[in-house]
Order: sequence, then C-alpha cells, then structure tokens
Amino acid sequence: GEDVEQSLFLSVREGDSSVINCTYTDSSSTYLYWYKQEPGAGLQLLTYIFSNMDMKQDQRLTVLLNKKDKHLSLRIADTQTGDSAIYFCAEILSGGATNKLIFGTGTLLAVQP
Amino acid sequence: DAGVIQSPRHEVTEMGQEVTLRCKPISGHDYLFWYRQTMMRGLELLIYFNNNVPIDDSGMPEDRFSAKMPNASFSTLKIQPSEPRDSAVYFCASNRREGVAEAFFGQGTRLTVV
Repeated sequence: GEDVEQSLFLSVREGDSSVINCTYTDSSSTYLYWYKQEPGAGLQLLTYIFSNMDMKQDQRLTVLLNKKDKHLSLRIADTQTGDSAIYFCAEILSGGATNKLIFGTGTLLAVQP
Repeated sequence: DAGVIQSPRHEVTEMGQEVTLRCKPISGHDYLFWYRQTMMRGLELLIYFNNNVPIDDSGMPEDRFSAKMPNASFSTLKIQPSEPRDSAVYFCASNRREGVAEAFFGQGTRLTVV
C-alpha cells in the first residue's frame, strides 16, 4: 500500500529532546522528507535525507534512516516552544511520469514550557 | 516569486452549492498537487498534474470532485454539489521533479459546508 504511518501525538517539556517516528512504503524513494506545519499555514520542508545515507544532522535536527525496516525518525534536540507544530514525513513514489508525493498522517508535537 | 497562491483563504457555503478553489503554482514548476487535510484522515493526496496533464486522480473522493489545469499557471478544484463532509482545508502544492524535489505549499483554503 501507500500508507506512510506516524504516531499522532507527542508531548515534551521545553529543553528535552523530541523523537518523531515514521514508517514508509517505497524502498525505491530517492529522498525522504520531513515537513513542518505551523498553525494556520501550509507545510514547509524542514529537512530531508538522501536514501543512501543513514543519518543527517542539521543543527538541532537529526534524521535517521533505516532502509531495511523502512523506518525514518526525526530528533529535535533542545526542543523549544516554537517547535510546536505538526510534523509530516513524506516520500515520493516515482517512476516514469510518476512523482506521487505521499505524506504521513502527521505528528502533533506539543512543547510544554 | 510569491510562492504558491491559493484563493479564497476561507469559503463558507451551503450544502448543494458549487465550490471552486483556485491555485497558482510557482512559475517553472511542472508538477501540481491538490491535498485535503482533515482531523480524521490527515493529509490526503487528491490529484496531481504534470505539465498540465492529470497523472493520478485516484485520491479524488467521488464524481462530485473535479480538477482542471488549463495552463501552467492555474488550476482549479471544483466540488459540485458540496456536502458537509467536504469541510476541510484544501492545499495546493507545486514542485519540479529534479534534485531534492522540494514541494512548496500554498496557505490553503478552509472550506466549511453548512
């Protein structure tokens, strides 16, 4: 199937680390993505990882990829109240003219002060 | 570029009425996507276009929904007749299928059908 699955909700205290998990479906995806949606806004690309990498670090963000298990995670270090948002993982199902961008269910991250 | 532009931002309509949502993608992007977001179902891909041609409409809920892309700078999503269960936020996004293929989203249209 084409379902990309995530847990629905995560609550953390300010300053703690957050880890958001995702399982995806297409082992041939070239890139895997994390998008962030703030209240009342559209989604914006937060970070991505190339499929031949296991890990990518970008300031407070760490992306881990386990291709064998089709598992993707996003770790946010020193989580701030401004990180409160919905986080979506995404993959592109590709081939020919196909460029089907599929998103997970989204994880609502609530950061408590 | 101003980004992906959607209109209207909010739409309230009565059940049975026709609703038309509009989208202007980023210039140069050859893929355009329509998504629907609800609390119950998350973010669903309804349809996407490549070079103005619909590639996959398998996510369109039923015949009441239709989408067109008459040119590279404009797309519409129409619901006729609308029903209360169509209430959702509808997003348009565009990208180019090269490199990272980042998708850029509009601000969305919040549709309420009463």
